[in-house]
Amino acid sequence: ETGVTQTPRHLVMGMTNKKSLKCEQHLGHNAMYWYKQSAKKPLELMFVYNFKEQTENNSVPSRFSPECPNSSHLFLHLHTLQPEDSALYLCASSQEATSGNNEQFFGPGTRLTVL
Amino acid sequence: GNSVTQMEGPVTLSEEAFLTINCTYTATGYPSLFWYVQYPGEGLQLLLKATKADDKGSNKGFEATYRKETTSFHLEKGSVQVSDSAVYFCALINNNDMRFGAGTRLTVKP
Repeated sequence: ETGVTQTPRHLVMGMTNKKSLKCEQHLGHNAMYWYKQSAKKPLELMFVYNFKEQTENNSVPSRFSPECPNSSHLFLHLHTLQPEDSALYLCASSQEATSGNNEQFFGPGTRLTVL
Repeated sequence: GNSVTQMEGPVTLSEEAFLTINCTYTATGYPSLFWYVQYPGEGLQLLLKATKADDKGSNKGFEATYRKETTSFHLEKGSVQVSDSAVYFCALINNNDMRFGAGTRLTVKP
């Protein structure tokens, strides 16, 4: 399998549930990203990992917890979410996060609905 | 700070019409500029890019020219197809900071 994959593609959860989103990249990249895409809002960068180290956390609430066990895998652990957290969560990867010419490759996203 | 502003949609065109989606940016220095496309049910795909002033990025009949004097990177296509229906995002990277525009939804009707 090539590119960036995300599982699950769709997730419905209650506010008291705990779930995790998974992202895997097969491109040999060293940087991985989580984005949130809500209707009628710009893409929001949530977290950046570069060589497995978290380099950016854009004031994301603690109910979102990222994990990067290696440079090919990225998780987003979810707990006690709110309905307004319903969105498309996109994972991306790039060669590294410190290069100015750093195109990102995106996965298909996980459509999350919080009831 | 860095930011990207692109024309609001939705944009609806007939097949074979000419397309322009405006994008302007704010940044210090020399950002790299990108257009990404998101087809229904999919993630973003890089469409084209330009890394310095006056560069022209092109792919699948789409073009955009990096204009530093007007801080613009407008996307154009001479003859759109139904299969071009998607959401288009303008983006920049500057000093390790990546910013996306809000996206413009394009619908092409037969």
